[in-house]
This record gives sequence, structure tokens and C-alpha cells, in this order.
Amino acid sequence: EAQVTQNPRYLITVTGKKLTVTCSQNMNHEYMSWYRQDPGLGLRQIYYSMNVEVTDKGDVPEGYKVSRKEKRNFPLILESPSPNQTSLYFCASSLRGLADNEQFFGPGTRLTVL
Amino acid sequence: GNSVTQMEGPVTLSEEAFLTINCTYTATGYPSLFWYVQYPGEGLQLLLKATKADDKGSNKGFEATYRKETTSFHLEKGSVQVSDSAVYFCALSPRPNNAGNMLTFGGGTRLMVKP
Repeated sequence: EAQVTQNPRYLITVTGKKLTVTCSQNMNHEYMSWYRQDPGLGLRQIYYSMNVEVTDKGDVPEGYKVSRKEKRNFPLILESPSPNQTSLYFCASSLRGLADNEQFFGPGTRLTVL
Repeated sequence: GNSVTQMEGPVTLSEEAFLTINCTYTATGYPSLFWYVQYPGEGLQLLLKATKADDKGSNKGFEATYRKETTSFHLEKGSVQVSDSAVYFCALSPRPNNAGNMLTFGGGTRLMVKP
């Protein structure tokens, strides 16, 4: 089944404790992206990757890191999480980084930073 | 910059009622426009899209027409079902696409359909 998977689905952590949220897609997509969803704000893009070893900042990159060493994986790293990073996070992928391409979303990771 | 504005919810309707969710946008150039739907506990999935002026996207009984003159992309359905209860997001992707397929989302509209 074609899908985007994320792990973990739920995470409660404390301020300053480094964490990684994994994202993997099995559709051989070139483009991958991370979003955060906050009430009333819709989804905002954190980082995206047009292809392996190519990453760039989205609208709200502060406090986050990403890497794209393999085509299928795009982990999101929070080196020193803070409470304002409490949010619902979605990974997405599409065939190419083109305006018309549909993005496929993972099921989401709900992160709480205490 | 690019922005998407959609009506705030929640929108509560009875089954078989007519649905309209308004969406307007601001963008340079000629963006592609999308409606995504998020069912409870799930990620977003594409509902429909339109890539140029006067295009009509349609899927599962939902429709939206790309209106360049009013910069709008309103979502409509003639007869909603309880299973349509979800959060609906209007989004745009700019063209020419120099921003890595970056989707700009509206704030989302929650639809609740009662039997």
C-alpha cells in the first residue's frame, strides 16, 4: 500500500530533550515536506526537500532541523524542544516539487513539550 | 506574500443540506488551488484541485470553481452526509513555482453534519 508513515504518533517530552520524528514514504517520491498544524492557523510548512541531499526552509523553520540522506526518509529533529513547539506535525510527499502535484500526508504526530 | 482565507467554523448542517465553504486567496501569478479534507484522527487527503482560471475541480459530489476575477475557490456540495463531517482546508501552490511546491493553507473549516 502506498503510504507515508510517521513515528511516533504521540510523544510527550520535556523542554530541552532532543527528539526525532521519523517520516518514510514508499512511493519513490522526490519531494518531501514537514508541516505543523495549530488551531486557527491551518498548516504551516517547516522544511521541505526537493530531492536527496537538497533541503530548504519553509515558513517556520526556527528550532527544527531535517536531513534527506535517502529518498524515502525525511526525519524531523528538535535539538532542544520548547513548549511553543507543542503541536500536531505532518509529513507529506509528492512525486515532484511542482505546483500541480498532489501531496500525500502521513497520519500525524502529536507532540507535547512540557 | 501568498495567503488563503476561509470561513471560520464550525459549520453545522443537517443531512442532505447544501454546503458552501468560502475560500479566497491572495497570490502573485497564477496559483494552483486545492481543497484538502482531514477526517478525525487522520492526515490530510486531497479532495479536489484546479490549476487554471475557470477550471472546476470535482470529487465525491464536491465541486469548486477557480474564479480568477474574484480570487475565490468556494467548495460546494448539493447534499451532505454524516460521513462528510471533517475539517476542510483550502490551499494554494504558487506558480511560477520557485518555492518548492510550498502549500499555503487556510485556517480550516470544521463541518459537522447531523442525522
